[in-house]
Amino acid sequence: GIQVEQSPPDLILQEGANSTLRCNFSDSVNNLQWFHQNPWGQLINLFYIPSGTKQNGRLSATTVATERYSLLYISSSQTTDSGVYFCAVVPGSARQLTFGSGTQLTVLP
Amino acid sequence: NAGVTQTPKFQVLKTGQSMTLQCAQDMNHEYMSWYRQDPGMGLRLIHYSVGAGITDQGEVPNGYNVSRSTTEDFPLRLLSAAPSQTSVYFCASSSPGQGHYEQYFGPGTRLTVT
Repeated sequence: GIQVEQSPPDLILQEGANSTLRCNFSDSVNNLQWFHQNPWGQLINLFYIPSGTKQNGRLSATTVATERYSLLYISSSQTTDSGVYFCAVVPGSARQLTFGSGTQLTVLP
Repeated sequence: NAGVTQTPKFQVLKTGQSMTLQCAQDMNHEYMSWYRQDPGMGLRLIHYSVGAGITDQGEVPNGYNVSRSTTEDFPLRLLSAAPSQTSVYFCASSSPGQGHYEQYFGPGTRLTVT
C-alpha cells in the first residue's frame, strides 16, 4: 500500500517562530488532508489540498502532486498550535485515508 | 448541522464483553469509516462503507463487525473485547461528489479493555 512519511517527528518552538512540516507519499493520490489533533484528542480539519496552495490565517499548505509531497507552514506560532499534525492521503485506487505517523509540535511560551 | 457524532465518549469493558460504538452523521454523506488510534501513532482504518448496505474491511478489521442499514448510521461492534482493542476510535464521513473525498471526523470514543 501507499507509504506516508512525515517529518520531523518532533518539533519544539518558541512562541512567535515559524515552522515547516513535510509529508512525502509514495504514490499518486486523489485527496490529501492536513489535520491538527489538539491535546484533548480532537481531530481538526486544516486543509483539503490534493494539489496547489491554500492559506488560512497563519497556516498555509502546498502540495506538489507530481513530486509527491506536501508542506504545511505555520507562521508566528502560538501555544495553542501545540499538538500533533497529521497528513493523510487517499491513494488513486482507494476511497479511504491512509495516515502518516504525525509531527508532534510543542510551542513554548 | 451536528456533523459526525459518536457515543459514548468513554467506555471501560472487561475482556470478553461485547459492545457497540455508535456513529451518526447528518450531512447525507455516502462514505463512512471507522479508524483506531493507538498511542503515538496515526489512525488505521478498521472498516468502511460506501453506502447503505455496503461495507468492506480496512487495514485492521479483526475483532470488529459493522453494518450500514441507513445512510446516517454506521455502528461498530466488538463481539468479544480484548485488551489489544484498547484504543481511541474515530468515525469519519465523506461525500465523493466530483471526486472530492474530504473526510470529516467525529470526536472519538476512548475505549479501555481490562
